[in-house]
Amino acid sequence: EAAVTQSPRNKVAVTGGKVTLSCNQTNNHNNMYWYRQDTGHGLRLIHYSYGAGSTEKGDIPDGYKASRPSQENFSLILELATPSQTSVYFCASGTGDSDYTFGSGTRLLVI
Amino acid sequence: QEKVQQSPESLIVPEGAMSSLNCTFSNSASQSIWWYQQHPGKGPEALISIFSNGNKKEGRLTVYLNRASLHVSLHIRDSQPSDSAVYLCAVRSNYNVLYFGSGTKLTVEP
Repeated sequence: EAAVTQSPRNKVAVTGGKVTLSCNQTNNHNNMYWYRQDTGHGLRLIHYSYGAGSTEKGDIPDGYKASRPSQENFSLILELATPSQTSVYFCASGTGDSDYTFGSGTRLLVI
Repeated sequence: QEKVQQSPESLIVPEGAMSSLNCTFSNSASQSIWWYQQHPGKGPEALISIFSNGNKKEGRLTVYLNRASLHVSLHIRDSQPSDSAVYLCAVRSNYNVLYFGSGTKLTVEP
């Protein structure tokens, strides 16, 4: 069954540390997306990709980097984590005008 | 960047009633409009989409789109307790990115 898998499911990080959130999709979708979800803000777009080797900035890219080494994998990197990056992060894949398939999310706490 | 606003923030309806959710967006030239359902601790799941003005019906769901007024609504007929969730309105931009509203929390009371 086609799916989007995120890891880890939960993460506690220290301020100033490096955090990598991983996403793998088996949908063979060209496009992949990283969102964060906070109460009162809904889903906000951080980075997205149209295919292997490409990354694009979304609406809130500051403090985040993205990497798309292959069709299946899309990572979100926090080089210097801050408490303001405490959130739930969702990865999604999609193609054309199809609906997105979302992962189950990664809950990140930066202390 | 699309601006998407949803109302109400929360909605409580009795079982069997009609649930009506609203969404406004900022760009009349947007591509498709989507409604997603999100249960606690889960990722959003697509419910229904619409592109053209008018309405679209799928099962108990009906969506109405009016591009001139930048408004779309979702109506759930015969609401069930299992419909209790957060409903997200999303607008697809011309470069294939979805922009989401902050959601409506629906509670259906038995």
